[in-house]
Amino acid sequence: NAGVTQTPKFRVLKTGQSMTLLCAQDMNHEYMYWYRQDPGMGLRLIHYSVGEGTTAKGEVPDGYNVSRLKKQNFLLGLESAAPSQTSVYFCASTSGTPTEQYFGPGTRLTVT
Amino acid sequence: AQRVTQPEKLLSVFKGAPVELKCNYSYSGSPELFWYVQYSRQRLQLLLRHISRESIKGFTADLNKGETSFHLKKPFAQEEDSAMYYCALSEIQGAQKLVFGQGTRLTINP
Repeated sequence: NAGVTQTPKFRVLKTGQSMTLLCAQDMNHEYMYWYRQDPGMGLRLIHYSVGEGTTAKGEVPDGYNVSRLKKQNFLLGLESAAPSQTSVYFCASTSGTPTEQYFGPGTRLTVT
Repeated sequence: AQRVTQPEKLLSVFKGAPVELKCNYSYSGSPELFWYVQYSRQRLQLLLRHISRESIKGFTADLNKGETSFHLKKPFAQEEDSAMYYCALSEIQGAQKLVFGQGTRLTINP
């Protein structure tokens, strides 16, 4: 079991460029989440999905889009990157009952 | 509004001393409370959750609904406890979205 994996691990973008972050889980979890981690602010929820084909906005969704075409994958897109999106991005998944969320290793994104 | 507050950004204690990481929350209803930990160069992982009422690695946390607190405690700190600790809450039903505190970086000095 690989658990939750994220691709890529690191990325540097120029302002205005686009990219997609991929999250994959092999635990057959229904729920998946994207968070961003910024110093002094903890983790904040960007978007989440409660099942294949469904997505919803979290606390800080502006500038991001997501898709959940397959149950095991959750993609986070940045259409036009901005320096304010420099952060560490974490994906997580859970089975949907009150239990722990399993986190990926993170993607460190720098936008210059 | 849901909110989790960890008042200490940094906490430094000596090995063998007691540790208490503070967490206060605001939530309309009865949330599920968690402590997550991130060791150096490792991914975020669950340390303990209120509903299971267990002790993990010597840590315990008691939910005080009157004070809306969920402080994390350990009687004797060890060097391997040095890490970033996050308190978090989620709704018991629904999408299980986590709301995190700002985090406390704990350093255990030898």
